[in-house]
Amino acid sequence: GESVGLHLPTLSVQEGDNSIINCAYSNSASDYFIWYKQESGKGPQFIIDIRSNMDKRQGQRVTVLLNKTVKHLSLQIAATQPGDSAVYFCAENGDDYKLSFGAGTTVTVRA
Amino acid sequence: DGGITQSPKYLFRKEGQNVTLSCEQNLNHDAMYWYRQDPGQGLRLIYYSQIVNDFQKGDIAEGYSVSREKKESFPLTVTSAQKNPTAFYLCASSGGSRNSPLHFGNGTRLTVT
Repeated sequence: GESVGLHLPTLSVQEGDNSIINCAYSNSASDYFIWYKQESGKGPQFIIDIRSNMDKRQGQRVTVLLNKTVKHLSLQIAATQPGDSAVYFCAENGDDYKLSFGAGTTVTVRA
Repeated sequence: DGGITQSPKYLFRKEGQNVTLSCEQNLNHDAMYWYRQDPGQGLRLIYYSQIVNDFQKGDIAEGYSVSREKKESFPLTVTSAQKNPTAFYLCASSGGSRNSPLHFGNGTRLTVT
């Protein structure tokens, strides 16, 4: 079936550096994508979303880039802080109302 | 303030017993969802409901049951037929349109021994 995947399961980043988390998707019908952050023992928290009619969207310290040609999604976090340590998931809406999630990337921020 | 409440946070049961996980939302959302999360894996959809008194199976519905008698509530029952019930269970809701983000509760960790 269709799947959403992340390129790397873990990412270690020096505090203050920028982080880039990548995600590949395979469903061409997907037109809505979301990034979530999940801290240990908690539910996923919405970070930012993007529709397929856009290539880039910026939030506070975060930017999502969408490349529909190669079905690639990325999340950039500027000036990574210790509080950014978490698991990050991308999700796509696929053919229906159900979101499909990737396996997640664990981001660890080094002091 | 508005949000999704899952209770209890931790739940322990003996094998062979059914158990019901609670999920309540006060966001006035039409759609509600149940996901299962296992260590190192993404979220897998168990059941979802787009409107009161209606629900559909997700990708891993076997061994689970739900009801949607009220807009605010979407309880999940993990039955004894579920072969591997120990997991982290997440409830979510959304406005119901195709391009609506999900809002998640903080989950219930179920341990069955």
